[in-house]
Amino acid sequence: AQTVTQSQPEMSVQEAETVTLSCTYDTSESDYYLFWYKQPPSRQMILVIRQEAYKQQNATENRFSVNFQKAAKSFSLKISDSQLGDAAMYFCAYRLNYGGSQGNLIFGKGTKLSVKP
Amino acid sequence: NAGVTQTPKFQVLKTGQSMTLQCAQDMNHEYMSWYRQDPGMGLRLIHYSVGAGITDQGEVPNGYNVSRSTTEDFPLRLLSAAPSQTSVYFCASSYSTYFGVDVGYTFGSGTRLTVV
Repeated sequence: AQTVTQSQPEMSVQEAETVTLSCTYDTSESDYYLFWYKQPPSRQMILVIRQEAYKQQNATENRFSVNFQKAAKSFSLKISDSQLGDAAMYFCAYRLNYGGSQGNLIFGKGTKLSVKP
Repeated sequence: NAGVTQTPKFQVLKTGQSMTLQCAQDMNHEYMSWYRQDPGMGLRLIHYSVGAGITDQGEVPNGYNVSRSTTEDFPLRLLSAAPSQTSVYFCASSYSTYFGVDVGYTFGSGTRLTVV
């Protein structure tokens, strides 16, 4: 079964600095998606960034970028120029690129990010 | 606004009571699912549906029941609430992944349920 592991329950970063959140996953499949979701105190789940396993180029969305290492099954999120609004719980998630039950999202346990002014 | 609508946002139940969490989406998504979120546990899949009339169990289905009579609605029923079901519940939907294209999940705003 696929699993997603986030080894950092909490992280802290100074405003305007850079922080990297770690995520590893376990799968025997080759065709899948990886995601980072942000959950602020409002509880809303917000998609931050998405990576397709077949794309070697790391995804980037403004200040957010990933380091996708397929062989190592690692998918870290880098937040540059951290802002107070980045403070939230961040979840790493995995989804097979197949239909039916195989398309379910599998989440890690989350990393709580604090941003210090 | 288009999206996933969950009701209620907050609920307190007594042990043994039953209730239904409502979830509706207006995006014509085939795939709908229910997750529960507990501190330190991430989001865990309860039940999911790949289309009207089709449902299946996820990782933590015990104590919950679902049905999918229409594409739009996917209610989650607690038959006899227990304190262990105190959690935040999320409904999510997406287009089917059968065609190998992921256009992302849309999540509802969550329901905080407390069972006393």
